[in-house]
Amino acid sequence: AQSVSQHNHHVILSEAASLELGCNYSYGGTVNLFWYVQYPGQHLQLLLKYFSGDPLVKGIKGFEAEFIKSKFSFNLRKPSVQWSDTAEYFCAVNTNAGKSTFGDGTTLTVKP
Amino acid sequence: DSGVTQTPKHLITATGQRVTLRCSPRSGDLSVYWYQQSLDQGLQFLIQYYNGEERAKGNILERFSAQQFPDLHSELNLSSLELGDSALYFCASSVGTHRGDEQFFGPGTRLTVL
Repeated sequence: AQSVSQHNHHVILSEAASLELGCNYSYGGTVNLFWYVQYPGQHLQLLLKYFSGDPLVKGIKGFEAEFIKSKFSFNLRKPSVQWSDTAEYFCAVNTNAGKSTFGDGTTLTVKP
Repeated sequence: DSGVTQTPKHLITATGQRVTLRCSPRSGDLSVYWYQQSLDQGLQFLIQYYNGEERAKGNILERFSAQQFPDLHSELNLSSLELGDSALYFCASSVGTHRGDEQFFGPGTRLTVL
């Protein structure tokens, strides 16, 4: 069965600090990988996704993620966070079987 | 606004009861997904429908059932409710069934079972 593991449950950073959120998945076949974000009081929305090709994916608001196939990882990064990045971040895996598996989420709090 | 609507926003009911949650996908989307988000279990995939047919099943209890109607809206039925069913239930939609399709999420229905 596929699974997704997000290493950090809660991350607290000061503004301008760099961010890296870990995501590892387990599945032997072809996958597509996603990062979704849920800002306070809002619905989940797509931050970025890996489809194929260049393993370094750039998303909205300065976020990027790198797919490392050999490590089954898809870590999310941002060089300098802002207070408005405070949100919950979910890593997700989709497979050909149609199932979507989400990680437990990481709550990011950015202190002004 | 994602274009996905869910009703009701909040639902409070008692143990043993049955409720129906409703979801309307984005215009043009044929796939609908249901998720349960509880404090201790994160976002759990329940079930996916595509153009009226069940396509994938996740950790959905036998007390729960869903369907997608010809107009593509979907309903999630929860019966014999237990305290542990209290959670946020999200619906999402996507264009098709490809694993690369982005899912668009609704605002969720918060279910409280007393």
